[in-house]
Amino acid sequence: GAVVSQHPSWVICKSGTSVKIECRSLDFQATTMFWYRQFPKQSLMLMATSNEGSKATYEQGVEKDKFLINHASLTLSTLTVTSAHPEDSSFYICSAAGLGGIYGEQYFGPGTRLTVT
Amino acid sequence: DAKTTQPTSMDCAEGRAANLPCNHSTISGNEYVYWYRQIHSQGPQYIIHGLKNNETNEMASLIITEDRKSSTLILPHATLRDTAVYYCIVRINAGNNRKLIWGLGTSLAVNP
Repeated sequence: GAVVSQHPSWVICKSGTSVKIECRSLDFQATTMFWYRQFPKQSLMLMATSNEGSKATYEQGVEKDKFLINHASLTLSTLTVTSAHPEDSSFYICSAAGLGGIYGEQYFGPGTRLTVT
Repeated sequence: DAKTTQPTSMDCAEGRAANLPCNHSTISGNEYVYWYRQIHSQGPQYIIHGLKNNETNEMASLIITEDRKSSTLILPHATLRDTAVYYCIVRINAGNNRKLIWGLGTSLAVNP
């Protein structure tokens, strides 16, 4: 149990375009989803937290108009990188957490490698 | 949330136990100790967590000192597939505050 998927696993896009990344909890209901970014040889940096049906809470320094997060259902959250630039190239990881028990912990997706050219 | 200190890197021989230390001297009474690992270019994987008692599951054992200021993650029989970055994180388990603050972790290399 507790499987989280991400799609796509990697994407290359041109500067100025937008990219959408999906995060799905496959076998449990995720009341909370988290989005992280990780640059090479660095640790994970939390970008935002989203609760199903609510607006996402962004961490300081993360532009909410650039990184649009939607958590419309208990199994799906999306991150859209708008007007992407080369400095947005990174490894984007989502995690999902349910209400309690083993699903109260965060379970992570496999990540999405974004390259902006 | 309290901060943690881990060695930057460690080596371990395949088949031997890997003991990964973590210091969390400012941990609060309601903070749990969590361990995750991240294999290169993959998402992190939950390993184990505990409050004050030692814990064991199919992946690892977690030993927490009586004063809770440090802990050790034990992989009893390390394999090459255990090569990864191991993160020790402390956080409270209350309500919607489940944020995980990630340090740089310990890069464990399991050698044949």
